[in-house]
Amino acid sequence: EDQVTQSPEALRLQEGESSSLNCSYTVSGLRGLFWYRQDPGKGPEFLFTLYSAGEEKEKERLKATLTKKESFLHITAPKPEDSATYLCAVQARGNQFYFGTGTSLTVIP
Amino acid sequence: ETGVTQSPTHLIKTRGQQVTLRCSSQSGHNTVSWYQQALGQGPQFIFQYYREEENGRGNFPPRFSGLQFPNYSSELNVNALELDDSALYLCASSPTGEETQYFGPGTRLLVL
Repeated sequence: EDQVTQSPEALRLQEGESSSLNCSYTVSGLRGLFWYRQDPGKGPEFLFTLYSAGEEKEKERLKATLTKKESFLHITAPKPEDSATYLCAVQARGNQFYFGTGTSLTVIP
Repeated sequence: ETGVTQSPTHLIKTRGQQVTLRCSSQSGHNTVSWYQQALGQGPQFIFQYYREEENGRGNFPPRFSGLQFPNYSSELNVNALELDDSALYLCASSPTGEETQYFGPGTRLLVL
């Protein structure tokens, strides 16, 4: 069964304390893995797309990596404005899309 | 700013009624997808349209239906509303040739 699992469910960090969020997946025919940021009551905001194992993408304090079974979103020296829910999604064969339940990140000043 | 807009922003309906939600995406975005997001959950894929044809469907009953129009707008129709249909409904569009989806702000639907 195709599924996406994110961990941890919630994460509290001190400002400047680096950490990683995990997204593990089992899908048939991965066509892409996506990371989004979602603020309360708003639509998800696109961060990264990864297509193949070994691929890495960076943007400001965020770096996404991909293996054959999981993806990590590394946050370096986070700031309070990085507080949000981070969602991982995969596109599988047959144009099926699966989202995880997200990691709620709180960065404390 | 993704250029994807949705209307209305909020909506209250009664169980058994029908609802139409609307989405407008950017020129050149030929693919549109609709998602349902319950509180505290990740978005659940409803279906995808490409050039006005359904191109993929998640595990939702037939009372969830859609349309895509040539002017890059689309609709999600839900018949016989149930209490569990209360959720944030998200529209996402993709530029031609890309897999990445860009989301609108969503429509919050409450079914009483």
